[in-house]
Amino acid sequence: QKEVEQDPGPLSVPEGAIVSLNCTYSNSAFQYFMWYRQYSRKGPELLMYTYSSGNKEDGRFTAQVDKSSKYISLFIRDSQPSDSATYLCAMSPFVQGGKLIFGQGTELSVKP
Amino acid sequence: EAGVAQSPRYKIIEKRQSVAFWCNPISGHATLYWYQQILGQGPKLLIQFQNNGVVDDSQLPKDRFSAERLKGVDSTLKIQPAKLEDSAVYLCASSLGTVASIEKLFFGSGTQLSVL
Repeated sequence: QKEVEQDPGPLSVPEGAIVSLNCTYSNSAFQYFMWYRQYSRKGPELLMYTYSSGNKEDGRFTAQVDKSSKYISLFIRDSQPSDSATYLCAMSPFVQGGKLIFGQGTELSVKP
Repeated sequence: EAGVAQSPRYKIIEKRQSVAFWCNPISGHATLYWYQQILGQGPKLLIQFQNNGVVDDSQLPKDRFSAERLKGVDSTLKIQPAKLEDSAVYLCASSLGTVASIEKLFFGSGTQLSVL
C-alpha cells in the first residue's frame, strides 16, 4: 500500500464549476500537508500548506484536513481554464528537514 | 527573484551511457533537493543537501547515481550507467532551510531524460 493515494483522474469540468481533489494517507506521523500545482513541462509550485485539522482558505482555494480519517482535500471555487494543471498533494512528518511524500497527482482540465 | 535554474531541459541517451544534470538554486537557499518524477507519478526524493552536506540520500541508487553540491550552491546529479527505467523528469528544488517556518520548496522546470 502506498503511503499517499491520490486519484490520477483525468478530471474534466466546465468553467465555473467547484472542483474537489482528494488524497488519503496511511502514515499517522504525517503532520504537515501541502498542495502543489504543476503545469505541463514545469516544476510543481506550492499552492497551500496546513498543519492542523480543519479548513484553510486562500482566495478561490480551500484546503481541508481530517487527520482522524487520514484524508485531505483541495477545493477550487469558480474554476478557470488557467486552473488546468496536475495537482499534487504532499505531506511530511516534520516542519523542516523531513522529506515530502507526494501523491501521484490528479490531472485537471477546466473547459471554457 | 530568479527561480531555480536547471539544464539541460531535455536529454536523450542510450542505455549504459552516462548523463549529468545541473542545478542552480535560488540565491540564499541552504537546502537543495533532487527529485525523480516518472511519468504519471509524483516526485520522489533522491537526495537532500543542507549547504554542501548530504542530509538524506536513502532513496538514491548509489550504484549508478551520484550527486554533489559545489561550495554549497550549484549541484550536479550524474547517472552512470543509465538504465531504461531511469527515463523520467529530474527536478531540482531549493528552500531556505530555516527552522522558524514550514519548509517551502521551490522547483525548477526539470530535465526530461529519455533512455533508449
